[in-house]
Amino acid sequence: GAVVSQHPSWVICKSGTSVKIECRSLDFQATTMFWYRQFPKQSLMLMATSNEGSKATYEQGVEKDKFLINHASLTLSTLTVTSAHPEDSSFYICSALENTEAFFGQGTRLTVV
Amino acid sequence: KNEVEQSPQNLTAQEGEFITINCSYSVGISALHWLQQHPGGGIVSLFMLSSGKKKHGRLIATINIQEKHSSLHITASHPRDSAVYICPGSNYKLTFGKGTLLTVNP
Repeated sequence: GAVVSQHPSWVICKSGTSVKIECRSLDFQATTMFWYRQFPKQSLMLMATSNEGSKATYEQGVEKDKFLINHASLTLSTLTVTSAHPEDSSFYICSALENTEAFFGQGTRLTVV
Repeated sequence: KNEVEQSPQNLTAQEGEFITINCSYSVGISALHWLQQHPGGGIVSLFMLSSGKKKHGRLIATINIQEKHSSLHITASHPRDSAVYICPGSNYKLTFGKGTLLTVNP
């Protein structure tokens, strides 16, 4: 099946710094990718829809200036958490659609200290 | 009201038992995914189906799009099946419920 690679799998950063997470579709082109966030014992929550070549669509309550999404190619979307704070510590995961089937990255566990 | 309702929310079984997890939707869907999330967070896509039934090993998934209902069955359950099972509907973007936490004891 199709593969989506997410990097890094975990990262620890200092408060106030920025962190970039990459999501790559390895063997298919994804015009649309999705970024999710999951807090402990909570369900996955959609943060934004990333569209190749255009601006991302953010869900209500997600700050677009804080969570920068870039989808510059058909195989790569990036999520940058800017000026990270401890409350941004969470599990971030991306998915990409091939036709109607979703494929998920491995996820990134972000810890802000 | 959540768009996706899963039942049960928590399920504990003994190794070898037959397990069923159900999903119901309040909105129309074109397809459905069954996902498995392990404690570390990684997600594995088990099935994507838009009609009928699919089988993979000990796992069977069925769906009735008209009735907005799907079930995941696990035969001869094993402790390694312990995970959260999620059934997002696929209407362009996936809509997630809280999932079903399955614990299979040896």
